Amino acid sequence: AQRVTQPEKLLSVFKGAPVELKCNYSYSGSPELFWYVQYSRQRLQLLLRHISRESIKGFTADLNKGETSFHLKKPFAQEEDSAMYYCALRKTSYDKVIFGPGTSLSVIP
Amino acid sequence: EAGVAQSPRYKIIEKRQSVAFWCNPISGHATLYWYQQILGQGPKLLIQFQNNGVVDDSQLPKDRFSAERLKGVDSTLKIQPAKLEDSAVYLCASSLSSLYEQYFGPGTRLTVT
Repeated sequence: AQRVTQPEKLLSVFKGAPVELKCNYSYSGSPELFWYVQYSRQRLQLLLRHISRESIKGFTADLNKGETSFHLKKPFAQEEDSAMYYCALRKTSYDKVIFGPGTSLSVIP
Repeated sequence: EAGVAQSPRYKIIEKRQSVAFWCNPISGHATLYWYQQILGQGPKLLIQFQNNGVVDDSQLPKDRFSAERLKGVDSTLKIQPAKLEDSAVYLCASSLSSLYEQYFGPGTRLTVT
């Protein structure tokens, strides 16, 4: 069965420092991978997907099939990046999305 | 455009009681999802509708949970009878189809005492 792990429940970084939120997955095929974000008092929303290969709000994520990882990175953290981040995968576009447990990012001013 | 609407936002019930949640998706969205999010965990899909048909309900505890999407628009999720372990946030989401981005509602926080 597919599984998503996020080893850090909490991550604190200083403003301007680089940030990396780790995500590992277990699936033998080629899944679709996503990062979702939930800011305080806001709804869960899609941040980015690996298929798009895009940078959203300065965040990027690279799929490493060898290490089965999809870490989220940003070179300079901002206070507004403080939020809950969920890594997620699905086998194909027609399968359900499986979420990891989430990492709470706190950016210290 | 208006987002996904859910009600109620909060609900407290005693175990063995029943409860129902309502979801109104974004207009024109054919796919509707119900998720359960237990504290400290990520959302878990309970059921997915395509219009008014069920696509995936493999993780829905069917002995106590039921859901319907009459006329392919609004949806209700019911728990009867509730157990303590049902305490969670219940999220509704919708999308144009499963190929497109899911948009989430604000959630209903259920506490079972």
